[in-house]
Amino acid sequence: DAGVTQSPTHLIKTRGQQVTLRCSPKSGHDTVSWYQQALGQGPQFIFQYYEEEERQRGNFPDRFSGHQFPNYSSELNVNALLLGDSALYLCASSLVRGSNEKLFFGSGTQLSVL
Amino acid sequence: AQSVTQPDIHITVSEGASLELRCNYSYGATPYLFWYVQSPGQGLQLLLKYFSGDTLVQGIKGFEAEFKRSQSSFNLRKPSVHWSDAAEYFCAVRTSGTYKYIFGTGTRLKVLA
Repeated sequence: DAGVTQSPTHLIKTRGQQVTLRCSPKSGHDTVSWYQQALGQGPQFIFQYYEEEERQRGNFPDRFSGHQFPNYSSELNVNALLLGDSALYLCASSLVRGSNEKLFFGSGTQLSVL
Repeated sequence: AQSVTQPDIHITVSEGASLELRCNYSYGATPYLFWYVQSPGQGLQLLLKYFSGDTLVQGIKGFEAEFKRSQSSFNLRKPSVHWSDAAEYFCAVRTSGTYKYIFGTGTRLKVLA
């Protein structure tokens, strides 16, 4: 059973460009969350998708957008890249809420903006 | 606003020694609390979680954590550290009614042979 898979693993872009990151959730999971982890920091919540809708959003500008497909996979898009967008982007999937709640994380996409 | 503080950025212990990683949170009600471990090049793995009930929770890899409401703390412990425990550890909180996890800045653990 594959866990959460993210692609690509590494990406180099220049300022002003746009980027799309992809995530396939763990089998059977219907909820996908995206986090940004800057160097030396903990992950910060970008947004969560459930039933193809953005359910909650963190404190990120509108340059960050996402999508969830009917098969529950998800994309994170970042427009007009800034140097400060360089970070590890983590995708996490989950299914059950309540006391059985558990987020499964992918290994992330390392984005470098030059 | 909710926040999570991990006061120790780096901790070094000898293999076989005991370990305690500190975590304090700021939130009015009882939050849902988590500890995750991140090894280089890998995603975060859940070690344990606290939702309610017994304040001492057991996790994987021999870790445990104790929720102390009076101190707003959720410290992670292990009685005997193994070299393979070297990694970065993150404490996280999720509050009722939201879906986002708030992570601390992490504690990097180094284990001496």
